[in-house]
Amino acid sequence: AQSVAQPEDQVNVAEGNPLTVKCTYSVSGNPYLFWYVQYPNRGLQFLLKYITGDNLVKGSYGFEAEFNKSQTSFHLKKPSALVSDSALYFCAVSYTGRRALTFGSGTRLQVQP
Amino acid sequence: DSGVTQTPKHLITATGQRVTLRCSPRSGDLSVYWYQQSLDQGLQFLIQYYNGEERAKGNILERFSAQQFPDLHSELNLSSLELGDSALYFCASSVAPGGPYEQYFGPGTRLTVT
Repeated sequence: AQSVAQPEDQVNVAEGNPLTVKCTYSVSGNPYLFWYVQYPNRGLQFLLKYITGDNLVKGSYGFEAEFNKSQTSFHLKKPSALVSDSALYFCAVSYTGRRALTFGSGTRLQVQP
Repeated sequence: DSGVTQTPKHLITATGQRVTLRCSPRSGDLSVYWYQQSLDQGLQFLIQYYNGEERAKGNILERFSAQQFPDLHSELNLSSLELGDSALYFCASSVAPGGPYEQYFGPGTRLTVT
């Protein structure tokens, strides 16, 4: 069955430092991978997706993610964290023929000033 | 603003009651999804509609039902409510169903069952 795992419940990083939020997936076939962000009392916002092609995907707010097929990973990265990046981040997976997204459990990112 | 609207924002009701949550998708999106977000279950897919037809079911209870109307808005009906149904309910929409299409989420309806 398809699934995604976010191994860290929380990630703490200092403002200005690079950040990484980890995601691994388990899908037979070619996955479509997504990152969403959720701010308090808000809905999920789409950040970026990987469909095919270039393994490095750039998204909103300076975020990027790298698709690694051999490690079945799709980690979210940003070169320089902002306090305003503090939020809950969800990785999600889908694939051809699948009609819904399967979400990971979420990782809370805390950026300290 | 994602362009997806949901009403009401908050709903407080008693056990055994029935409620209806409403969603209007982004302009041009034909597919609507419903999700439930709770602390213990995380984000769970409930059901999906495409252009008025049910296309996929997830972890939706038999007490719950949904429909998508000709104008593409969707309603999620929750009946015989239990305390455990208290959660955030999100609607999302996409231009086409599933696969590579990203979904855009509404702000959610927070349901509290007392």
